[in-house]
Formats: sequence, structure tokens, C-alpha cells
Amino acid sequence: AQSVSQHNHHVILSEAASLELGCNYSYGGTVNLFWYVQYPGQHLQLLLKYFSGDPLVKGIKGFEAEFIKSKFSFNLRKPSVQWSDTAEYFCAVSRNTGFQKLVFGTGTRLLVSP
Amino acid sequence: GAGVSQSPSNKVTEKGKDVELRCDPISGHTALYWYRQSLGQGLEFLIYFQGNSAPDKSGLPSDRFSAERTGGSVSTLTIQRTQQEDSAVYLCASSPYTGTAYEQYFGPGTRLTVT
Repeated sequence: AQSVSQHNHHVILSEAASLELGCNYSYGGTVNLFWYVQYPGQHLQLLLKYFSGDPLVKGIKGFEAEFIKSKFSFNLRKPSVQWSDTAEYFCAVSRNTGFQKLVFGTGTRLLVSP
Repeated sequence: GAGVSQSPSNKVTEKGKDVELRCDPISGHTALYWYRQSLGQGLEFLIYFQGNSAPDKSGLPSDRFSAERTGGSVSTLTIQRTQQEDSAVYLCASSPYTGTAYEQYFGPGTRLTVT
């Protein structure tokens, strides 16, 4: 069975600090990888995704993530966070074909202080 | 264009009552998923529909939960004899199923509170 681990449950940063959120997954086959964000009072939005190809993917709002297959990791990064990045971030994995239910990590709450 | 819509946005019900939650997927999306977001369990898969195929119900937590999808579009999730542990945000997502990798687009959710 697939599983996803997010190591940081709560992160507090000051504006302009760099961000890295860890995500590791467990699955024996080919996977799709995602980071979703949920801003306060809003619904889940896709930040970025990895299907295949270049393991360094860029998403919206300056976020990027790197897929390291040997480590089963898909860490999210942003060089300089803003107050508006305050949100909950979810890493998710799915199979690569067919029935592609998302298996989510437990989420990381990011608070950026101005 | 219009995104995934869900109704109602909030639902408060008494323990033991039945509830119906509705999802309107993005037009043309043939894959539809229901998920549940709760404090104790995080985000978890409930059920999956793809076109006219039989749904995958492997995530439904009990036989009190059922869902249908009419005409390959609108879906209804029904919870019978609600319990307090059913309190959660129920999310619907749809995708343009292509047989290969695709992303899912989420609706705003229905917050269900069972008193």
C-alpha cells in the first residue's frame, strides 16, 4: 500500500526565509507526485506536480520540488517565503496510470510572520 | 471556466439522520473522486468513478456510506444514520481521465457536522 510521510507538522518562518518541507513516500511502482496547498478558508489547490522527466519541477508562486527516486522523496522548496504563503501544505502520491487515487501526507502548517 | 462545485457548503445534522452531499465536476471530466478531510484521519480517499465503469468503493469506511454518479456527471454521496465520527469536510475532485497521468481538481468541500 502507498503511504506518504511529511516530517514537519508545524513550521514557523519569518518573511524572506527559505523553506524546505520534507516528503517521503512508500510505493513500489511508478508514481505521480503532487504538492497541494490549502490557504485559510480556501479549498485545495495544486502547487506543482511530477509525472515524469526532469526531476526538478517548478510550480506556482515560486515553489519548486525535486523528485529523488533513490530516496523516495519529493521535497518542496521556496527560496524566500512571503506572509501570503501561510497555509497548510500537503504532499500526495498516486499511481501513474489507471485508478489514480491520491494518498496524502498529514500536512504541514506553515506560518510566515511579517 | 467553472471549477468543481459542491453543495451544500455546510451541513449540520443530528446523529442518526441521513445526509446527501452533491458534487458537480468540471464539464468533460470523466473521473470523479470523493475524499474526506478530518482532524483524526487527515485526507483520505473514499470512492472513485470513471465513466460508466463500476466505481471503486475501497475507501468507504462503512456500509452507511454510498455514492452514485448519474449520467457520468453529477455525483451524490449519501451517509445513512450519521454518527459523530462522520463529522468532516467531504471533498470532491474531478479529472480529465486520459489513461495516463493526470491531476485532480478539487471542489471547496462540504463541511458536515453531526451533533
